Amino acid sequence: EPEVTQTPSHQVTQMGQEVILRCVPISNHLYFYWYRQILGQKVEFLVSFYNNEISEKSEIFDDQFSVERPDGSNFTLKIRSTKLEDSAMYFCASTEGGGPYYEQYFGPGTRLTVT
Amino acid sequence: QQQVKQSPQSLIVQKGGISIINCAYENTAFDYFPWYQQFPGKGPALLIAIRPDVSEKKEGRFTISFNKSAKQFSLHIMDSQPGDSATYFCAASLGKGGGSQGNLIFGKGTKLSVKP
Repeated sequence: EPEVTQTPSHQVTQMGQEVILRCVPISNHLYFYWYRQILGQKVEFLVSFYNNEISEKSEIFDDQFSVERPDGSNFTLKIRSTKLEDSAMYFCASTEGGGPYYEQYFGPGTRLTVT
Repeated sequence: QQQVKQSPQSLIVQKGGISIINCAYENTAFDYFPWYQQFPGKGPALLIAIRPDVSEKKEGRFTISFNKSAKQFSLHIMDSQPGDSATYFCAASLGKGGGSQGNLIFGKGTKLSVKP
């Protein structure tokens, strides 16, 4: 069964450093998302991406965040200057169609720890 | 307005019992209400979903009950099994008329433990 994969599974970084989280969506999917989950809290939407553009972003997704689809398979989330409060589990998701009624397939997540 | 409130935070049920998790929302523009199941170390996975034009949807042992006037929806797990032990999230999404690209607004999650 096709699945969304994410690397690395765990990333430890120092405050102020840049990190890139990587995702490989399901191959025929066209819409991509990033969510985060701070430990013990709810999953929060960060950004959606379609046709090489950001479709929608939340208030959390400020100038320190960026997303990119550098090739036909990878989808990345970059955090330019990490803060302690960026420590969270980051999930990538993809769907074959846009809009709310398509199932979003989530990857296993990358646990980011900022020290 | 954009929140989805979920309760209880944790739930312990005996094998064979019924697990019930409740969610409430404020924004009447929400048009899609999925439930996600998450096992430790895994991402959330879609369990079952409903749109507000129906009051109930059943898939196997899982049922969503939807009360549009009360702006509430709930997940019922019949004949709960130890393998159902996981964290369950309700979520909501604006419809296409709201310009949504499908981003989900999640509840805080319910950790379900089913005792053998």
